[in-house]
Amino acid sequence: DIQMTQSPSSVSASVGDRVTITCRASQGISSWLAWYQQKPGKAPKLLIYAASSLQSGVPSRFSGSGSGTDFTLTISSLQPEDFATYFCLQTNSFPYTFGQGTKLEIK
Amino acid sequence: QVQLVQSGAEVKKPGASVRVSCKASAYTFTGYYIHWVRQAPGQGLEWMGWINPNSGYTNYAQNFQGWVTMTRDTSISTAYMEVSRLRSDDTAVYYCARGINGARDFDYWGQGTLVTVSS
Repeated sequence: DIQMTQSPSSVSASVGDRVTITCRASQGISSWLAWYQQKPGKAPKLLIYAASSLQSGVPSRFSGSGSGTDFTLTISSLQPEDFATYFCLQTNSFPYTFGQGTKLEIK
Repeated sequence: QVQLVQSGAEVKKPGASVRVSCKASAYTFTGYYIHWVRQAPGQGLEWMGWINPNSGYTNYAQNFQGWVTMTRDTSISTAYMEVSRLRSDDTAVYYCARGINGARDFDYWGQGTLVTVSS
């Protein structure tokens, strides 16, 4: 199975900050990577697919980049509603595997 | 608007089975794969597999082969996921999600169903 390693596992930031979360795959996954946001007690929400494509309705302050084994999710200017946990998901090969999550907390 | 509505919380004893339903609305049910993902309390997400509602074909993660069964009833636009031989570490929230982009991405999710396994 492909292992997905996210870093950091948690980060504290303030409204207006720029935040970057990384995800590393244990082997190359081309651009088959998505990012999801999850708030407590809620289902995940798709933010980015195919490494860098913004899902419809998602604010443009979210962006993704990378290919192969290294990927990043960037939030350009944090808003209060962005404090949540973020997961990456590889869909290059079965079984699909998630990163362990990055909890974004208010500083 | 597209919705996936799941069945309610369940409490089961070890060794029992549980079936979770996922009813789709406002789109063509047979046109999109349904994925199942679970999340143990305070833990991360684990992909379990998918079902093609049109054909009934399934693809399970190896960890779930042999004790998870995904089915569907197209007449009522509902997908089902059954877990047999439940253990305490199967306690989790189980989500269904609609697959898009070649079934690789999950754009709509059910609200989740908490399954608690306890003696």
